[in-house]
Amino acid sequence: TQLLEQSPQFLSIQEGENLTVYCNSSSVFSSLQWYRQEPGEGPVLLVTVVTGGEVKKLKRLTFQFGDARKDSSLHITAAQPGDTGLYLCAGTNAGGTSYGKLTFGQGTILTVHP
Amino acid sequence: ETGVTQTPRHLVMGMTNKKSLKCEQHLGHNAMYWYKQSAKKPLELMFVYNFKEQTENNSVPSRFSPECPNSSHLFLHLHTLQPEDSALYLCASSFRGRSSYNSPLHFGNGTRLTVT
Repeated sequence: TQLLEQSPQFLSIQEGENLTVYCNSSSVFSSLQWYRQEPGEGPVLLVTVVTGGEVKKLKRLTFQFGDARKDSSLHITAAQPGDTGLYLCAGTNAGGTSYGKLTFGQGTILTVHP
Repeated sequence: ETGVTQTPRHLVMGMTNKKSLKCEQHLGHNAMYWYKQSAKKPLELMFVYNFKEQTENNSVPSRFSPECPNSSHLFLHLHTLQPEDSALYLCASSFRGRSSYNSPLHFGNGTRLTVT
């Protein structure tokens, strides 16, 4: 069974601070997706990283896929209250009987105070 | 508008009731999913349908019964649930196939279920 460990589970910071969320596994994934879920809504895709070592930027959010494709990180610069939400990482398997199956981490609840 | 619509948004039911959750997608996807989201636990995949054929059942108790009449509609029939089944039930859709294994999931806003 593939597992994704996210850390930290909870993060409470002030507006303007920087933060990093980590997503780690002992398994290799063909790709890693990051989602954000706001209260009362379903998760929404932020980004997909596919290549080992890949870095993608989405405004103040920077996503990195580890060289070995076993881990990923999300860095937010100058956090704003609108960044508040649950951040989920999800890895995709590309082979065998688990083809295309997503494995989710348990999520990081981020609260950004004004 | 997420493209995936779930109804109802909230549901309170007793342990002897029978109810159904509905999901509809207008994105042209060929796969639909039911997930259970509980506090402090990863999203749990329950069922997967690909071109309306069930391709995955993750050891879900029989008190949950899915139905997929076509690629755009998905139901979850509930009966004799337990209080521990209280959770947010999320429906999702995506493209699924050899050339689209990285396709993201598009989620609905979920049904908040409370079993009393």
